[in-house]
Amino acid sequence: AQRVTQPEKLLSVFKGAPVELKCNYSYSGSPELFWYVQYSRQRLQLLLRHISRESIKGFTADLNKGETSFHLKKPFAQEEDSAMYYCALSGHGGTSYGKLTFGQGTILTVHP
Amino acid sequence: EAGVVQSPRYKIIEKKQPVAFWCNPISGHNTLYWYRQNLGQGPELLIRYENEEAVDDSQLPKDRFSAERLKGVDSTLKIQPAELGDSAVYLCATGRSSYNEQFFGPGTRLTVL
Repeated sequence: AQRVTQPEKLLSVFKGAPVELKCNYSYSGSPELFWYVQYSRQRLQLLLRHISRESIKGFTADLNKGETSFHLKKPFAQEEDSAMYYCALSGHGGTSYGKLTFGQGTILTVHP
Repeated sequence: EAGVVQSPRYKIIEKKQPVAFWCNPISGHNTLYWYRQNLGQGPELLIRYENEEAVDDSQLPKDRFSAERLKGVDSTLKIQPAELGDSAVYLCATGRSSYNEQFFGPGTRLTVL
C-alpha cells in the first residue's frame, strides 16, 4: 500500500529564514515522489518531482530511500512562498504509475 | 494553453439528491483523473482514465458513484444518491499520459445538507 505522511499541519517562518517541509512515505517498491503547491485562490500545481532533480523557485527535495523521506527545503523563505504544500507518491508499473497518493498537506506561512 | 475546466464550481444539494460534475481536459491530454478532497486532507484518487477506458476505479464507491468519459475527452462524475459524507471538493486532473505531469482543475465544492 502507498502512504504519505506530512507530520506538520502548520509551519511558520520569518522571511529569509530556512524552511523545511517534512514528508515521509511508505511503499514496497521504487516510488516516484512529487511536491505539489496550492497558492491562495489558485489551482493545485506541480512544484517539483524527484526524477527531475531541479530547483524550482529556490526549492529542492532529495529522495532518501534509507529514511523513506522526501523533505522540501529552501534556504531563504520568501513571503510569496506562503501556500499549502502537498507531498505525493506514485508507484511504478502497471496501473500504479500515475496513481498519486497525497499527504495531508502543510500550510506554510512566511511572515515579513 | 487553456487549463482544465470544471463545472459547476459550487453545488449545494440536499441528501438523497443526485449530482453531476463535468470536466473538460486540456487539449491533447489522454489521461484524466477524478479526485475527492475532504476538508483538511489531501486529494484521494477516485478513478483514472486512459482515453475512454477506466484503468483504475478501485477507489470509486460504485454503489453510488459513477463516471464516464465518452469519446475520450470530456468526463462526468455522478453521485446518486448523495450522502452527507460526500461533502468535499471534487478535483479533475489531466495529463498527456500517466507518465506526465497532472494538471488540476479548480475543483467543484459540493455541500450536501
